[in-house]
Amino acid sequence: NAGVTQTPKFQVLKTGQSMTLQCAQDMNHEYMSWYRQDPGMGLRLIHYSVGAGITDQGEVPNGYNVSRSTTEDFPLRLLSAAPSQTSVYFCASSPRSGGNQPQHFGDGTRLSIL
Amino acid sequence: TQLLEQSPQFLSIQEGENLTVYCNSSSVFSSLQWYRQEPGEGPVLLVTVVTGGEVKKLKRLTFQFGDARKDSSLHITAAQPGDTGLYLCAGLGGSNYKLTFGKGTLLTVNP
Repeated sequence: NAGVTQTPKFQVLKTGQSMTLQCAQDMNHEYMSWYRQDPGMGLRLIHYSVGAGITDQGEVPNGYNVSRSTTEDFPLRLLSAAPSQTSVYFCASSPRSGGNQPQHFGDGTRLSIL
Repeated sequence: TQLLEQSPQFLSIQEGENLTVYCNSSSVFSSLQWYRQEPGEGPVLLVTVVTGGEVKKLKRLTFQFGDARKDSSLHITAAQPGDTGLYLCAGLGGSNYKLTFGKGTLLTVNP
């Protein structure tokens, strides 16, 4: 199994541009989430989804949109990129929501906003 | 927002030494997880603890959940260079849907 696949692995954007970070999982997991990881800040939850058609905000949702039209895919959209959004973005999935569920992470997308 | 404080932030030791990493909060967590992350990769789950006072062992790694479920520790015996990485604790508090991560402990084990 491929697990959680994130594309692209690297991206450079100019301020104001928009883009979509892709995340796909092949494990039929209900729960999917997006995190950003910044030096000294740990992983912070951006948005999450408990199933197809259901999404909700995490800790740092401003400037990001998500949708979950299928169980497999959970794309993250940057509407108008800002330098503060320079970060490493991780997508994760788990069989269900709940703290005892193992989170499976992708290898991340490294995003730089100039 | 429930916070998880990890200490130390950085740890550099020699191969064969023992070490303990701490994860503390003022809030109660229904469960707590430990992950290890290597450069250029996503975090990988090591263990989940759910019961106050619970101790779990994974080879040379021993994980403990505090009796009050507000803290946890990770002890590594006879550390090896392969243990090098970023260790993250994560807990589920009031919400069943939002996992909170600590900022991590960056461990370097020198040969």
